[in-house]
Amino acid sequence: AQSVTQLGSHVSVSEGALVLLRCNYSSSVPPYLFWYVQYPNQGLQLLLKYTSAATLVKGINGFEAEFKKSETSFHLTKPSAHMSDAAEYFCVVYDSWGKLQFGAGTQVVVTP
Amino acid sequence: DVKVTQSSRYLVKRTGEKVFLECVQDMDHENMFWYRQDPGLGLRLIYFSYDVKMKEKGDIPEGYSVSREKKERFSLILESASTNQTSMYLCASSLSVPGATEAFFGQGTRLTVV
Repeated sequence: AQSVTQLGSHVSVSEGALVLLRCNYSSSVPPYLFWYVQYPNQGLQLLLKYTSAATLVKGINGFEAEFKKSETSFHLTKPSAHMSDAAEYFCVVYDSWGKLQFGAGTQVVVTP
Repeated sequence: DVKVTQSSRYLVKRTGEKVFLECVQDMDHENMFWYRQDPGLGLRLIYFSYDVKMKEKGDIPEGYSVSREKKERFSLILESASTNQTSMYLCASSLSVPGATEAFFGQGTRLTVV
């Protein structure tokens, strides 16, 4: 069964600093991977998705993620954090039944 | 603009009431999902449906049922609401081919059972 593991339930970054959120997946076949963001009291919004066309995927709001098959990782980064990036971030994979498997989520706090 | 619409953003219900949470999508998606989200527990799948009148239990189906009479609408039913069902409920939809596109989420319904 496919699953994802997010390292760190809470991450605190200074405004302007690098944001790095870690995600590892377990899959015996090339996975369909996504990062979603959830702002307070909102639904989930797609940040970016891995489609196998390129290993470096660019998303909205300056985020990007790199697919590394050798490390089974899909880490999310943003070079310079903004106060508006404070939210919860989820790494998600489709399982073979078409169901979404969520990571536990990482809460990002941005400090001035 | 594609949309998944949940009928209510906030609901307050009494213990023992029958509660209906409605979700409508306008993308002609085959798959629809209901999740609940609780602090520290992430998103947990309650039920999903891969076609009209078809449903499968997710990880936490106890105390819930679902209905999908039309392709665009997926309802979550709490037969007799209890305080431990106080939570944020999220509906999502996707195409039937895994990964063909992303899943789209509604804005969520925050249900409080008193």
